[in-house]
Amino acid sequence: QKEVEQNSGPLSVPEGAIASLNCTYSDRGSQSFFWYRQYSGKSPELIMFIYSNGDKEDGRFTAQLNKASQYVSLLIRDSQPSDSATYLCAVGVTGGGADGLTFGKGTHLIIQP
Amino acid sequence: DTAVSQTPKYLVTQMGNDKSIKCEQNLGHDTMYWYKQDSKKFLKIMFSYNNKELIINETVPNRFSPKSPDKAHLNLHINSLELGDSAVYFCASSLIGSPNTIYFGEGSWLTVV
Repeated sequence: QKEVEQNSGPLSVPEGAIASLNCTYSDRGSQSFFWYRQYSGKSPELIMFIYSNGDKEDGRFTAQLNKASQYVSLLIRDSQPSDSATYLCAVGVTGGGADGLTFGKGTHLIIQP
Repeated sequence: DTAVSQTPKYLVTQMGNDKSIKCEQNLGHDTMYWYKQDSKKFLKIMFSYNNKELIINETVPNRFSPKSPDKAHLNLHINSLELGDSAVYFCASSLIGSPNTIYFGEGSWLTVV
């Protein structure tokens, strides 16, 4: 059974600070890792993906992957109120095929002005 | 032009009824999915299709029957609706083997009363 675990929160962070979101996964065969942002009443939107161990940066977002620890994280620098949303961690098992993604239950992030 | 469009967006129906949700994508993707997001926001894959062929059929009651007339369309028919079927159903599409291309539709809010 593939599982992706996230702390549901809410995680409250002051505006301008760094928000740190964490995720662990159970399947060691997982090869691709994703962070989606979902605003209330909207569809999930891909903000970061990472395939290799280490860090990947895109603007204010940094994804971190540690396959040995089966751990993925997302850092949001200079947090803005518009970053308030639910962040879904998702894991793909293979690099090919139509397996889709296994999602965690999401962390609700609140950025306090 | 909407990339992945679903109809209807909102659906309220009585227990025991049969209903369908339609999905179309214009991204040129070859793989399509149905995901279900329950009241606790847990997003779980139900089905995936690649070029009209069923690839994934997760543990879903056989009251749910997907149909893909071509690779740009994936419909979901639900028989004998139950209260527990109330959820948001998201259609998504991607290129096979490229999970970073998964793009979600806006969702269909189904309420069974």
